[in-house]
Amino acid sequence: EPEVTQTPSHQVTQMGQEVILRCVPISNHLYFYWYRQILGQKVEFLVSFYNNEISEKSEIFDDQFSVERPDGSNFTLKIRSTKLEDSAMYFCASSSAATRTGELFFGEGSRLTVL
Amino acid sequence: AQKITQTQPGMFVQEKEAVTLDCTYDTSDQSYGLFWYKQPSSGEMIFLIYQGSYDEQNATEGRYSLNFQKARKSANLVISASQLGDSAMYFCAMREGVNGDSSYKLIFGSGTRLLVRP
Repeated sequence: EPEVTQTPSHQVTQMGQEVILRCVPISNHLYFYWYRQILGQKVEFLVSFYNNEISEKSEIFDDQFSVERPDGSNFTLKIRSTKLEDSAMYFCASSSAATRTGELFFGEGSRLTVL
Repeated sequence: AQKITQTQPGMFVQEKEAVTLDCTYDTSDQSYGLFWYKQPSSGEMIFLIYQGSYDEQNATEGRYSLNFQKARKSANLVISASQLGDSAMYFCAMREGVNGDSSYKLIFGSGTRLLVRP
């Protein structure tokens, strides 16, 4: 069964460092997303991406964040200068508009720890 | 205002019994979708069930059913015959503006942690 894959599964970084989280969405999906979940809390929307551009972003997704689809398969989230409060689980998701439900398929997440 | 409200931070259920997890939502859209996801302790998000706002019948998927009460804006998840493996966090989510939208994002509630007792 096709799945969304994310790397790394866990990254530890120093405050102020740049971090890139990588995702390979399901191959025939057209919509891509990043979500964040601070430990034990709700899953928060960061950004959605369609047709090679950001279609929507939340207030969390400030200038420190960027997304890119550098080739036909990868979808990356970059945090330019990490802060302590960026420590969270980051989920990549993809969806297809072709299905009736259009549910999001999530990766297993990348846990980011900022020290 | 919260778009999705889950008022039960934690729930217990005895194995083999049924349990209802509450979810209310707030939207002015006529067309929207409601979802439930399961998050076990391993962390992944697993899609369980979907209800469209125009669906006349309540959605069912195996032991999962969705009690959709549109006038009350509630979309409660019912798990029948609970199993130990059902112990997990459960999130209700909504997608607004389904038609012609270039972002099919979901907005999640705060979740309910379900513990199934043997």
